[in-house]
Amino acid sequence: DSGVTQTPKHLITATGQRVTLRCSPRSGDLSVYWYQQSLDQGLQFLIQYYNGEERAKGNILERFSAQQFPDLHSELNLSSLELGDSALYFCASSPLAGTEQFFGPGTRLTVL
Amino acid sequence: AQSVTQPDIHITVSEGASLELRCNYSYGATPYLFWYVQSPGQGLQLLLKYFSGDTLVQGIKGFEAEFKRSQSSFNLRKPSVHWSDAAEYFCAVGPRSNDYKLSFGAGTTVTVRA
Repeated sequence: DSGVTQTPKHLITATGQRVTLRCSPRSGDLSVYWYQQSLDQGLQFLIQYYNGEERAKGNILERFSAQQFPDLHSELNLSSLELGDSALYFCASSPLAGTEQFFGPGTRLTVL
Repeated sequence: AQSVTQPDIHITVSEGASLELRCNYSYGATPYLFWYVQSPGQGLQLLLKYFSGDTLVQGIKGFEAEFKRSQSSFNLRKPSVHWSDAAEYFCAVGPRSNDYKLSFGAGTTVTVRA
C-alpha cells in the first residue's frame, strides 16, 4: 500500500458525459501527478500540481482539467467523454518535486 | 526530446533463473531513473531508483539495477526469479528539475514458468 488513495476504483459511463476522479496523496506529500495508462499510448503524464498550484502539463486534452485543493487532495475532471478516453488513470504523489513518486491503485474508466 | 526504450515486450523465464530487463533512455542530461512494477490489476510499485552516486542500486524484492552513463542504460536484474515476479515492469526517467514529469517506457511483461 503506497498511501495514495484513489476513488472510485471503477467507473463506467457513456460518451459525452463528465466524470471526476479523486486522489488523496500520502500524508505530507505536496506534489500530485496524474497519469493515463492506455493500451495504445502506454503511461502518459497528464498534469502535476504542487501545493495547490499547477506545476507542469503533459499531453492533457482541453476536455480534461484538474485541481489541487487546500487539503492537498486532487481531482481530475474529464468532460465530453469519448470512447478513446477509456483507460486507467493513476494519481501519484511525492513530498517534493524531483523525488520518487508513489502511485495509487488507479481508477479504471470505461466509456461506452 | 526525451524517450525511454524497453526493447523487450515480453520475456519468459523459468523459476529460479536469472532475469535482466533492458532500459535505454534518451535525455538532455542525466535524469533520475526508476523501475516500477505493475502486477495485474494493481498500481505501480517502485522497485528502485537512481539519483546519483553508486551506479549499482539495490531495490526491493531482491532486484538491482545498474546505471551506465556511456550506454544511457539502466538495466534491471534479479539473480533468481520467483513465480510472484510475474508482472509488467516499467522503466521511467524524470528530469532534475521542479517540472517533474516521469516518462515511461512501454513496459516489459515477465512470465515465470515453473
